[in-house]
Amino acid sequence: GPKVLQIPSHQIIDMGQMVTLNCDPVSNHLYFYWYKQILGQQMEFLVNFYNGKVMEKSKLFKDQFSVERPDGSYFTLKIQPTALEDSAVYFCASSFRESAETLYFGSGTRLTVL
Amino acid sequence: GDSVTQTEGLVTVTEGLPVMLNCTYQTAYSDVAFFWYVQYLNEAPKLLLRSSTDNKRTEHQGFHATLHKSSSSFHLQKSSVQLSDSALYYCALSDDPSGSWQLIFGSGTQLTVMP
Repeated sequence: GPKVLQIPSHQIIDMGQMVTLNCDPVSNHLYFYWYKQILGQQMEFLVNFYNGKVMEKSKLFKDQFSVERPDGSYFTLKIQPTALEDSAVYFCASSFRESAETLYFGSGTRLTVL
Repeated sequence: GDSVTQTEGLVTVTEGLPVMLNCTYQTAYSDVAFFWYVQYLNEAPKLLLRSSTDNKRTEHQGFHATLHKSSSSFHLQKSSVQLSDSALYYCALSDDPSGSWQLIFGSGTQLTVMP
């Protein structure tokens, strides 16, 4: 079936550095999402993105976070600068319609901030 | 705000026996859909089944769930589990307060099936 690829699967960086998490969504999908999961807790919505714009973001989506999908390539989540509390697994998802029923998730990127 | 509660973090069941994974929720909205996602080790979460109709049983891959709005529940059940059912199961709801569908997840239940 359709797959969402996330690169890399693990990333370790020092606090204060910048990190970019990459997501290769399903090819004909139009809506893109990031979710954050701290160890032992539930996945939480960060942001969704459509037609080159952020549609909605949660309070977890701090000013240090940004998303983009330049020229239909990777959908990226950038954190600059990183903080210790950013350590989590970040899941990318995409969908063809604006509907949770057609949401496909990637396997996640485990980010560790030291 | 909306919330989803999965009370069991870990459930262990012997192969061939039934299982029920609990899911309850709180929402202020009426136009809400409910989901169960399954995540196998090192894989992406995948949709297992969904429902938005009160008191209607939904089935997929041997699992079933019935939305009960009267008790705010959407428990997942299977009559006879298999070893391959071992995975992390998430209950989730999706409302549409602003026209932008978001999933609100529970904390997940790790199901381990023993031989």
